[in-house]
Amino acid sequence: QKEVEQNSGPLSVPEGAIASLNCTYSDRGSQSFFWYRQYSGKSPELIMFIYSNGDKEDGRFTAQLNKASQYVSLLIRDSQPSDSATYLCAVLIMIYNQGGKLIFGQGTELSVKP
Amino acid sequence: DTEVTQTPKHLVMGMTNKKSLKCEQHMGHRAMYWYKQKAKKPPELMFVYSYEKLSINESVPSRFSPECPNSSLLNLHLHALQPEDSALYLCASSQDRTFRTEAFFGQGTRLTVV
Repeated sequence: QKEVEQNSGPLSVPEGAIASLNCTYSDRGSQSFFWYRQYSGKSPELIMFIYSNGDKEDGRFTAQLNKASQYVSLLIRDSQPSDSATYLCAVLIMIYNQGGKLIFGQGTELSVKP
Repeated sequence: DTEVTQTPKHLVMGMTNKKSLKCEQHMGHRAMYWYKQKAKKPPELMFVYSYEKLSINESVPSRFSPECPNSSLLNLHLHALQPEDSALYLCASSQDRTFRTEAFFGQGTRLTVV
């Protein structure tokens, strides 16, 4: 079982709709969770970071974390064509005396159609 | 300032060359990471430095040699690389010894081995 799993997509939504991206993780020791947006040929850009159960909102983005279900999601409201990118879910696993490992899922490709 | 600066942005090197990639951050982060990313794949962890000490090496071939001269700077020395090492090399940083930390990536170095 992969440590971090995402649907690879592509996920296609019309402009103005809500895009929903999902991620599950296997290590119950995972403590914090990240969503990155990556445009083709560019580096990952941090858009959401969450470590407590529940919802965290930032503008059009909402991250939802459920540690009991080992599940984290990202909602993008009022999707825009400029949101078309690959969304990477990442999990920070702290290792005693070694620091942290940031482990990525395979990424979900999102396409927002005008 | 949430900037991680990587140089150079592009690098072409022969298989007998020696070159170095550089990464710098001034956020006071004490964990720094090197990742390798191939096209259409997620970033793959190579090394983690924690308080300027190498804490995690993900079984990376010795032709890649990391160095952390101080808390702001991370280098990756390259020697006798193979064409399959061509990839986007990403540096990231975060606070260490806490999971309540964001992790930011640099713009990456696009490496081509000829």
